[in-house]
Amino acid sequence: EVQLVESGGGLVQPGGSLRLSCTTSGFTFITYWMIWVRQAPGKGLEWVASIKQDGSEKNYVDSVRGRFTISRDNARSSMYLEMNSLRADDTAVYYCARAPRGGTTIDFWGQGTLVTVSS
Amino acid sequence: DIQMTQSPSSLSASVGDRVTITCRASQNIKGYLSWYQQKPGRAPKLLIYAASGLETGVPSRFSGSGSGTDFTLTISNLQPEDFATYYCQQGYDTPALTFGGGTKVEI
Repeated sequence: EVQLVESGGGLVQPGGSLRLSCTTSGFTFITYWMIWVRQAPGKGLEWVASIKQDGSEKNYVDSVRGRFTISRDNARSSMYLEMNSLRADDTAVYYCARAPRGGTTIDFWGQGTLVTVSS
Repeated sequence: DIQMTQSPSSLSASVGDRVTITCRASQNIKGYLSWYQQKPGRAPKLLIYAASGLETGVPSRFSGSGSGTDFTLTISNLQPEDFATYYCQQGYDTPALTFGGGTKVEI
């Protein structure tokens, strides 16, 4: 059974940092693009970042580029999102997801972890 | 950046109805279009990939069509469990994915 489990969310002050983790099981992690998607309270879905199978390619939405860093550890079947200089508009549920078919779609999602940026 | 526009933003329907949701891309995305269903407090669920491919386990009352810039999700014989919010997503510009604004299907 494919499973993706996020952790690391919580309350952080503006300007602070947080590291999200995504632990996976039930599939061959190294063969998939992996991504982070977020959803602000009451809003729609927003792609945040993607990482290629071997970690050689990383891409970010403009609003987080330079502040967030995506990484993966294929030996641990895990993915991470290092978030720095957090702002109030980063408040959202962050989902870890698997992206097959060359990263063109998303077939499995984690349950999400809430990040709240507030003083 | 490719923009995705869904319509309507919400609709009211009854059990047994046929429902159609549209998604328009700001440029040609060929067939790289997916549809998701999301219920409150839950992660999205993939319904359709590559514009018309039915994901494994998804009921056949869900169907997708379109190519280029205009796409449609159709739910035939709407069931109580289908009341949810639906999102389209383009994968042409992968890995930079973009989603539509969502369509809430209400009773």
